[in-house]
Amino acid sequence: RKEVEQDPGPFNVPEGATVAFNCTYSNSASQSFFWYRQDCRKEPKLLMSVYSSGNEDGRFTAQLNRASQYISLLIRDSKLSDSATYLCVVTSMDSNYQLIWGAGTKLIIKP
Amino acid sequence: DGGITQSPKYLFRKEGQNVTLSCEQNLNHDAMYWYRQDPGQGLRLIYYSQIVNDFQKGDIAEGYSVSREKKESFPLTVTSAQKNPTAFYLCASSIPLRPLYGYTFGSGTRLTVV
Repeated sequence: RKEVEQDPGPFNVPEGATVAFNCTYSNSASQSFFWYRQDCRKEPKLLMSVYSSGNEDGRFTAQLNRASQYISLLIRDSKLSDSATYLCVVTSMDSNYQLIWGAGTKLIIKP
Repeated sequence: DGGITQSPKYLFRKEGQNVTLSCEQNLNHDAMYWYRQDPGQGLRLIYYSQIVNDFQKGDIAEGYSVSREKKESFPLTVTSAQKNPTAFYLCASSIPLRPLYGYTFGSGTRLTVV
């Protein structure tokens, strides 16, 4: 079983819709969680950290469910510019705080 | 502006050749990392360094070598022992043990074996 698993997609979503995707992790000792965004053939960029109580940044909401060991990302009022691959990242003291990366979920926003 | 510079952007290697990928940062970060990304896969850690003159193997270090003689520089050599080197290589830096700040990435080097 992979340490961090994501549905590869692609998720094809009309502009203005709400879309959500999850990421599951296998290490119950995981401590920090992030969502990164990666555009085609570019480097990943930090989108947001995920806090235990959940957090929001504009149209983006991240949630953590420790009991079921998953994090989620919700995008409201999706824009064409949201089209990208979204990478889930997990870290823990067990891994000496090295980042463990999911393979990403591809999102395509259609006009 | 502070950041990470990777060069070259594209690199072509012949079979049996060693090539070196450059990574320079001016963020004053102590920790630096090399990752490899293949299509449809997550980033995999090749090597990392948390301090000058020290570095550790990551999950897929075989066929690669690094050096960390200066805080700002962390070059990666892809040796002829790496059997499948075609991939997208990403260098990153961070404040050690401060994962909440995330990593800063360079723009990557795309290596192709010809």
